[in-house]
Amino acid sequence: QKEVEQDPGPLSVPEGAIVSLNCTYSNSAFQYFMWYRQYSRKGPELLMYTYSSGNKEDGRFTAQVDKSSKYISLFIRDSQPSDSATYLCAMSGRAGGTSYGKLTFGQGTILTVHP
Amino acid sequence: ETGVTQTPRHLVMGMTNKKSLKCEQHLGHNAMYWYKQSAKKPLELMFVYNFKEQTENNSVPSRFSPECPNSSHLFLHLHTLQPEDSALYLCASSQTGASSYEQYFGPGTRLTVT
Repeated sequence: QKEVEQDPGPLSVPEGAIVSLNCTYSNSAFQYFMWYRQYSRKGPELLMYTYSSGNKEDGRFTAQVDKSSKYISLFIRDSQPSDSATYLCAMSGRAGGTSYGKLTFGQGTILTVHP
Repeated sequence: ETGVTQTPRHLVMGMTNKKSLKCEQHLGHNAMYWYKQSAKKPLELMFVYNFKEQTENNSVPSRFSPECPNSSHLFLHLHTLQPEDSALYLCASSQTGASSYEQYFGPGTRLTVT
């Protein structure tokens, strides 16, 4: 079983749709939960970060973490063609020691928003 | 130059060649990373350096040899690679400690082993 599972898609939605991206994980030691966005021919860039459980909102983006279910989500409201990219979930263990910097990534979901 | 830069952007090498990938960060970070990104696979962490010291080697074959001469530069020396090593190699940097989740990536080197 992979530590982090993410449906690779591809996912195609019309402009203005609400997009839901999800990851599940098996390692209960994960405490930091991130979403990275990767445009074609570019490196990933951090989009959202959540520590432990809860919700976080940033503009059109909302990240949710449910540690009891080991499930994280990213919602994109009013999606735009410029949101077309690969979205990678990433997780990291407890703070301290050698856990720092060791991110475990999902496979990434390819999203296309068409006009 | 800003952010994280990587050279070359594309590299084709034979299985008997020796080549090196270079990464430079202009962000004042003290942690640097090498990742491998293959099609249909998650990003794989290869090496982690904190303050120039290697703190993680994720069971990477010895044909990949990293070097970190200072906190701004990171190299990946390649020799006698296999075709399955063809992938996008990404370098990243971050602050050390609790902020290390926020990693800044370069554009990657697309490596093809023939």
